[in-house]
Amino acid sequence: QLQLQESGPGLVKPSETLSLTCTVSGGSISSSSYYWGWIRQPPGKGLEWIGSIYYSGSTYYNPSLKSRVTISIDTSKNQFSLKLSSVTAADTAVYYCARRSSGYCSGGSCYSVFDFWGQGTLVTVSS
Amino acid sequence: DIQMTQSPSSLSASVGDRVTITCRASQSISSYLNWFQQKPGKAPKLLIYAASSLQSGVPSRFSGSGSGTDFTLTISSLQPEDFATYYCQQSYSTPHSFGQGTKLEIK
Repeated sequence: QLQLQESGPGLVKPSETLSLTCTVSGGSISSSSYYWGWIRQPPGKGLEWIGSIYYSGSTYYNPSLKSRVTISIDTSKNQFSLKLSSVTAADTAVYYCARRSSGYCSGGSCYSVFDFWGQGTLVTVSS
Repeated sequence: DIQMTQSPSSLSASVGDRVTITCRASQSISSYLNWFQQKPGKAPKLLIYAASSLQSGVPSRFSGSGSGTDFTLTISSLQPEDFATYYCQQSYSTPHSFGQGTKLEIK
C-alpha cells in the first residue's frame, strides 16, 4: 500500500525558509502516471494547493505562492521536497504531501485526483 | 483562477437523515469535480471523483451529481462516522482549488 510521510521542522522563524520532505514508500515516485504535490491547511481553515512536480522535474505552482515556492524531487531517494521562503505567521498550517493520479477514468474521460495523502505535519511560524 | 463555493458552510443533521451539500464553480469545469471527507486531525479522504464516480471502498450511501458549474454531494442515510467536514475540489485547471468546506455536525 502506498504511503507518504512528511518530515521537517515544526517551528520556523519569520522571514526564514520552510523546508519539508515527503518520503514515498510502497511505490515508485518515478512512475510516469503520477504527479506529486503539496497542499496546506491553516488551523481551522480550508485547503490550499501549493504546487506539484512530475518525476522528470517539471513543476507548476499556485500563482499566489509562486514567487516563494520551490518543489524538487529526488528519485533516488523516492522523495520530493517543498521550500517556502520569507515565511510569515500566515504560513502557519498543516502541510500535506499527496499523489495526484490521472488514472481515474469515467465516461470516456480520465480525471486527475489527489488519491493518496500523507498524515500532515504542522508548521508554526513564530519567533 | 476558478473559485469554488460550497453551501452551506455548516449543517446539523441526525443519524438516518438525508443530506445534500452544494458546490458551485465560478466557471464551467465540466465534470472535473472531486469530493473529499476530512475528520479532525486527519488528511482528507477521496469520496467521489469525476463529479459522480464513487471511489473504491466508499459506502454507496454517498453519491455525487452535476456538471458545468453546479454540483451536489448527497449522503442518503447519515451514519455516525459521517460527521466530518466535506470539501469539493476542481481538477479542470490549475491552480487546483478547493471549496471552503461544509462542516456536518450532529443535531
